[in-house]
Amino acid sequence: EAGVTQFPSHSVIEKGQTVTLRCDPISGHDNLYWYRRVMGKEIKFLLHFVKESKQDESGMPNNRFLAERTGGTYSTLKVQPAELEDSGVYFCATTQTTPYNEQFFGPGTRLTVL
Amino acid sequence: KQEVTQIPAALSVPEGENLVLNCSFTDSAIYNLQWFRQDPGKGLTSLLLIQSSQREQTSGRLNASLDKSSGRSTLYIAASQPGDSATYLCAGRVYNFNKFYFGSGTKLNVKP
Repeated sequence: EAGVTQFPSHSVIEKGQTVTLRCDPISGHDNLYWYRRVMGKEIKFLLHFVKESKQDESGMPNNRFLAERTGGTYSTLKVQPAELEDSGVYFCATTQTTPYNEQFFGPGTRLTVL
Repeated sequence: KQEVTQIPAALSVPEGENLVLNCSFTDSAIYNLQWFRQDPGKGLTSLLLIQSSQREQTSGRLNASLDKSSGRSTLYIAASQPGDSATYLCAGRVYNFNKFYFGSGTKLNVKP
């Protein structure tokens, strides 16, 4: 069974540009999460989808971040316009809808904003 | 808000030693706690998931415990090997919040 995949693995962009990150969940996993780790800090929650609906987006830093999940399958996270402080590693994680909710993480996308 | 702390931040041990990694959390209304390992430049690999109704879980040389009353979890690694070298992260989920709060991790180095 394929794991959680993320694309791209690395992205280097200039301040003010737009970047879109993609996450493909494990098949059948309705819950999808985005997390971010900035330099020297712990991994922090950004938002949670249940199928195509945003369940909790309390961790989104500001309105420059937009997440979507088309048809309850893959998800995208767009940053527009990117700022220097957006640099970090963005992780996607998915779980089945069970009481146990073991999270499976993707390899992450390393974003560098210059 | 759940605060998760991991001590020590880094640990270096000789091969074969048994060791304990610590994770503490502030909110005892914890639903479950998951331990991960992260290799450099890689994603997080799930090691063990403990539900609030459980006290411990075992997988091979790994044993994780959870004590809600004291707000602590430990990951015990038996007979450590150089291949165990990685950063170990704990993450706790609180009731009514379907997201994990992460600690900063413990970077483990097992010397041959």
